Amino acid sequence: EAQVTQNPRYLITVTGKKLTVTCSQNMNHEYMSWYRQDPGLGLRQIYYSMNVEVTDKGDVPEGYKVSRKEKRNFPLILESPSPNQTSLYFCASSFEPMNTEAFFGQGTRLTVV
Amino acid sequence: KNEVEQSPQNLTAQEGEFITINCSYSVGISALHWLQQHPGGGIVSLFMLSSGKKKHGRLIATINIQEKHSSLHITASHPRDSAVYICAVSRGEGTDKLIFGTGTRLQVFP
Repeated sequence: EAQVTQNPRYLITVTGKKLTVTCSQNMNHEYMSWYRQDPGLGLRQIYYSMNVEVTDKGDVPEGYKVSRKEKRNFPLILESPSPNQTSLYFCASSFEPMNTEAFFGQGTRLTVV
Repeated sequence: KNEVEQSPQNLTAQEGEFITINCSYSVGISALHWLQQHPGGGIVSLFMLSSGKKKHGRLIATINIQEKHSSLHITASHPRDSAVYICAVSRGEGTDKLIFGTGTRLQVFP
C-alpha cells in the first residue's frame, strides 16, 4: 500500500530537549516536504527536499533542521524545541514538483512544555 | 489578505443535502488541490485539477482559471463526509510548494 509514515503520532517534550520526527515513504517519490498546521493559519511549509541531499527552506524554517540521506526518509529535527513549536506536523511526498498528487502522513501532534 | 481564501469557514448540513465549498486564489497556479482531513486523522488528497471538472463518486470539483475560483461539491451528503476540507494551490515555480487555505469545517448530521 502506498503510504507516508510518520512517527511518533503524539509527543510531549520539554523545552530544549532535542527530538526527531521521522517520515518515510514507499512510493519512490523524489519530493518530500514538512508542514506545520496551526489554528487559523492553515498549513505552512517548513522545509522541502527535491531529492537525496537536496533540501531547502520553506516559509517557516526557523528552529528546524532536516536531512535527506536516503530517498525514502526525510526526518524533521528540532535541536532545541520551544513552546511556540507546539503544533500538528505533516510530512508529504509527491512524484514530481508540480501537477502531481501529494501524499500526506497521518500527522504528529507535538506539545512542548 | 491570504493568497488562498475558502468559504464558508464552517458548514453544517443535514444528511442528503447538496454541499458546496468555495476556494478563491489570487496568485498564478499550475494546479489546485482539494484535501480532506478527518478529526484526529491525516490528510487525504481528493482531487488535483488544472482545468475543467473532475468527479469521484459523490464528489465533484470544478475550477475556473479565468476567475481564479474552484468549488468542491458533495452530492447526497452523509455523516461520514464530516471533515475539514482544504484547498491548496501549486505555484508551479519548480518546487512542490503548496499554498493552503485555512479549511472549511463540515458537519453533516443524520
